[in-house]
Amino acid sequence: EAGVTQFPSHSVIEKGQTVTLRCDPISGHDNLYWYRRVMGKEIKFLLHFVKESKQDESGMPNNRFLAERTGGTYSTLKVQPAELEDSGVYFCASSQRRDANTGELFFGEGSRLTVL
Amino acid sequence: GDSVTQMEGPVTLSEEAFLTINCTYTATGYPSLFWYVQYPGEGLQLLLKATKADDKGSNKGFEATYRKETTSFHLEKGSVQVSDSAVYFCALSKSSASKIIFGSGTRLSIRP
Repeated sequence: EAGVTQFPSHSVIEKGQTVTLRCDPISGHDNLYWYRRVMGKEIKFLLHFVKESKQDESGMPNNRFLAERTGGTYSTLKVQPAELEDSGVYFCASSQRRDANTGELFFGEGSRLTVL
Repeated sequence: GDSVTQMEGPVTLSEEAFLTINCTYTATGYPSLFWYVQYPGEGLQLLLKATKADDKGSNKGFEATYRKETTSFHLEKGSVQVSDSAVYFCALSKSSASKIIFGSGTRLSIRP
């Protein structure tokens, strides 16, 4: 069974450019999450999809970030325009259950974003 | 707000040494507590969990006990192996919550 896959694994862009990160969850998982780890600090929640709907987007830092999940399958996270502080590793996770308190989230390897 | 604090790394040990990685949390109510591990080139994976006070989570020789009186969930292993080299994250989540709150991670390196 395929796990959560993320693309690209590493992206290097200049400040002001646009980047789109993609996440393919495990097949059949309605719940999809985006997290971010900046500068070796804690991993922070960005948002949670249930199918194609945004269940919780309280962690999105600002309106330069746009997440979509059309059709309830894969998801994209677009950063436009990118700023230096957006550099970090973006993790995607999926789960069958809506509640995160079981801890049973399956994570991808992450997409490393470097903004110069 | 709710938060998790874990010891900073990196931690470097010799094979077969005893491991402790400290983790404390701040949260209202009764969160579930987790340890996640990220091996090189892989995604995070759940290592163990505990859902209520005095519960002990265990997996792959690792253990952690949910201590409500000290708000702690320290990770321990009696004899580490080179294959345990990874980044370890302590985390919590509340019932009906969408999110997991993570600590900053501790990088562990084991020397042969």
